[in-house]
Amino acid sequence: EAQVTQNPRYLITVTGKKLTVTCSQNMNHEYMSWYRQDPGLGLRQIYYSMNVEVTDKGDVPEGYKVSRKEKRNFPLILESPSPNQTSLYFCASSPSPQGREEKLFFGSGTQLSVL
Amino acid sequence: AQTVTQSQPEMSVQEAETVTLSCTYDTSENNYYLFWYKQPPSRQMILVIRQEAYKQQNATENRFSVNFQKAAKSFSLKISDSQLGDTAMYFCAFRGWRDMRFGAGTRLTVKP
Repeated sequence: EAQVTQNPRYLITVTGKKLTVTCSQNMNHEYMSWYRQDPGLGLRQIYYSMNVEVTDKGDVPEGYKVSRKEKRNFPLILESPSPNQTSLYFCASSPSPQGREEKLFFGSGTQLSVL
Repeated sequence: AQTVTQSQPEMSVQEAETVTLSCTYDTSENNYYLFWYKQPPSRQMILVIRQEAYKQQNATENRFSVNFQKAAKSFSLKISDSQLGDTAMYFCAFRGWRDMRFGAGTRLTVKP
């Protein structure tokens, strides 16, 4: 089944404890991206990647890191999480690097709570 | 920078009636697409409909249609014959050359 697999679905952690949210797609998509969803703000892009080894900042990159060593994987790293990073996170992918017409394929989301 | 604005945080509609969700956007690009995504309580993000900026004809998908006014930068979603399963958050989204932006969302409740 074609899908974007995101783990974990729920995560509770404490301030300063490094964590990684994994994202993997099995559709050979070039484009991958991370979003955070907050009430009243919608989805905001954190980072995106148009291809392997190519990543760019989105609107809210502070406090996050990403890497794209393989086409299928795009992990999101929080090296020192803070409470203001408590949010619902989504990974998404689409076939082409600049496919404006392409819909995004979303993971199932990760609800992160930083205490 | 591109912006997407949804001015209706919450809306409700009676089952079988019609409802329109508003969305405005701002961009200097000419070649872009607009989308409506639905997010039910399951958190899944589901594409409802998409519109190419170069097409004057409004997109339609079964009970869902859009009113795309390019000059006004307006992209509203009309849901006809509303069903209980339409209850969800609806996000308007813009996709340009290197940009993907979402609005704040409209929470739609369909009442029996």
